[in-house]
Amino acid sequence: QVQLVQSGAEGKKPGASVEISCKASGYTFTNYYMHWIRQAPGQGLEWMGIFDPTGVVTKFAQKFQGRVTMTSDPSTSTVYMDLSSLTSEDTAIYYCARETPRTCYFDSWGQGTLVTVSS
Amino acid sequence: QSALTQPASVSGSPGQSITISCTGTSSDVGSSNHVFWYQHHPGKAPKLVIYDVSNRPTGVSNRFSGSKSGNTASLTISGLQAEDEADYYCTSYTSTYTYVFASGTKVNVL
Repeated sequence: QVQLVQSGAEGKKPGASVEISCKASGYTFTNYYMHWIRQAPGQGLEWMGIFDPTGVVTKFAQKFQGRVTMTSDPSTSTVYMDLSSLTSEDTAIYYCARETPRTCYFDSWGQGTLVTVSS
Repeated sequence: QSALTQPASVSGSPGQSITISCTGTSSDVGSSNHVFWYQHHPGKAPKLVIYDVSNRPTGVSNRFSGSKSGNTASLTISGLQAEDEADYYCTSYTSTYTYVFASGTKVNVL
């Protein structure tokens, strides 16, 4: 079955960067897009961006442009999301979520990775 | 892109029906057939319950239904059950090829 397994919780200081991984299994990695979505404490979900492992489609929410990078390692079916210049407002649970191309919905989600930014 | 608007909470008794509204703009909900609803039990991964305004994924109970009128989409849960108690988020694909989520609605089963 489809599984998205994310890396563990991270604690970072303001100004630092964080990298979260999302390892996919149970499907052909390059046939699906991966999105990143986050949820800050007590807040709703927030879309960060879409990553296409084939490199055709990549788009970030304007709020994160210049600060987010998404990459992948097809040999391990893993997508990475790097977020730089962290502030306390980046404290959140970060999710990766799979999209079948052109359906526009997220049919499988990772378990979430808590990132805490604190001095 | 501003977030979509949902009520903070909706309550109902077992067996009742409830409806959650999701209001956006002509740049998202009003112009998109790609409106989705996710159910989120805290501590678990969100789950898609409605896609493309009114379609149910395989395996989702037919107690869940969706609709849209103008800039407002709605999710109705009929025959409310205890297991339906969760947070519900609508999201829309936008005219700028991005996504916008609502702040979420907590459904309480009394």
